[in-house]
Amino acid sequence: GQNIDQPTEMTATEGAIVQINCTYQTSGFNGLFWYQQHAGEAPTFLSYNVLDGLEEKGRFSSFLSRSKGYSYLLLKELQMKDSASYLCAVNSNYQLIWGAGTKLIIKP
Amino acid sequence: DGGITQSPKYLFRKEGQNVTLSCEQNLNHDAMYWYRQDPGQGLRLIYYSQIVNDFQKGDIAEGYSVSREKKESFPLTVTSAQKNPTAFYLCASRPPGLRTDTQYFGPGTRLTVL
Repeated sequence: GQNIDQPTEMTATEGAIVQINCTYQTSGFNGLFWYQQHAGEAPTFLSYNVLDGLEEKGRFSSFLSRSKGYSYLLLKELQMKDSASYLCAVNSNYQLIWGAGTKLIIKP
Repeated sequence: DGGITQSPKYLFRKEGQNVTLSCEQNLNHDAMYWYRQDPGQGLRLIYYSQIVNDFQKGDIAEGYSVSREKKESFPLTVTSAQKNPTAFYLCASRPPGLRTDTQYFGPGTRLTVL
């Protein structure tokens, strides 16, 4: 079967750094996405990794290891507005398979 | 302004009634998707369409139907056969091109069946 695992919930402090992990087992792999979703709203695209390594985009970075079936999203200098769910999705045979999302709670 | 619109944002229906959710995009995207999101679960694909007049079932198509008569529009009908229709429904579209896989989402419709 196809499976994507993320922690259900994480808590971090404003100004700190947090790493959200995602592990996957899928029948195909054509890239991995991270999306941000605020409560009651639609997901918005954050990053896309198709090759191994780190992709940096401002305060957010995403890492991929295809051999390990592993990715993480790194958020630096956390702000209260970063409180949201973070969804990991794998492009498997050109269909997106979605994790259940990680709810990130930011405390002052 | 280019974008994806879904209406209405909140929808209430009585059990046994069919209901149609609207999804429109003016981004000139070929591919469009319908997902269902339930608490504690990942997005699940209901139907998708790669081109006008063609659509494919996703993982949970039972109890749903779609049409794709125009490139801009991909309405979803939730029928009375859907056992548990209360959920958050998301429509997405994808730009053309084989190397462009990113999907962009509309604001969603929260359907509650009473």
